[in-house]
Amino acid sequence: GIQVEQSPPDLILQEGANSTLRCNFSDSVNNLQWFHQNPWGQLINLFYIPSGTKQNGRLSATTVATERYSLLYISSSQTTDSGVYFCAPGMSGYSTLTFGKGTMLLVSP
Amino acid sequence: NAGVTQTPKFQVLKTGQSMTLQCAQDMNHEYMSWYRQDPGMGLRLIHYSVGAGITDQGEVPNGYNVSRSTTEDFPLRLLSAAPSQTSVYFCASNLRGGNTEAFFGQGTRLTVV
Repeated sequence: GIQVEQSPPDLILQEGANSTLRCNFSDSVNNLQWFHQNPWGQLINLFYIPSGTKQNGRLSATTVATERYSLLYISSSQTTDSGVYFCAPGMSGYSTLTFGKGTMLLVSP
Repeated sequence: NAGVTQTPKFQVLKTGQSMTLQCAQDMNHEYMSWYRQDPGMGLRLIHYSVGAGITDQGEVPNGYNVSRSTTEDFPLRLLSAAPSQTSVYFCASNLRGGNTEAFFGQGTRLTVV
């Protein structure tokens, strides 16, 4: 099956800093999702992004499917951005997503 | 629109007990899945279903059973709980397979003592 690697595994930021999280995958994909798991354990959909760039407030994501990676940008980070960020590529012909192990982000005040 | 609803949110079981984790979705999605999340392991697929009456095994199916009698419901059964099944369980649904957007329930934290 597809292999998914996320980097960095851990990240500590000061409030207001910017960051880039990376997701590499080993095979061609039809879509990619980014999730935020908040400190209460909820998985929140951030982006569904097969290719190109999408923006939602301070967050944006870019997927370059031909080069098998996706990036999640967090600008002007806030303490509420803390948690674990997962990427999950999806492929047609496959019934489910495959998850990376996540990037744990801590934003300190 | 409730999305994906899981019950219970928390559960403590004794070794050997059985229980069912409930999952329901109201989005008329064909595909439903169960994942478990363990520290440092990400989310691993237990079982999934591509429609009513159709189920299949994922990466870590041992010790779990599923059935899909309706489009809306996809319960996960632990037949004889073991401490190794202590985990957080997530149910997900998506419209049609891995290339459509998935939505998750709020999770069930299970402890087996």
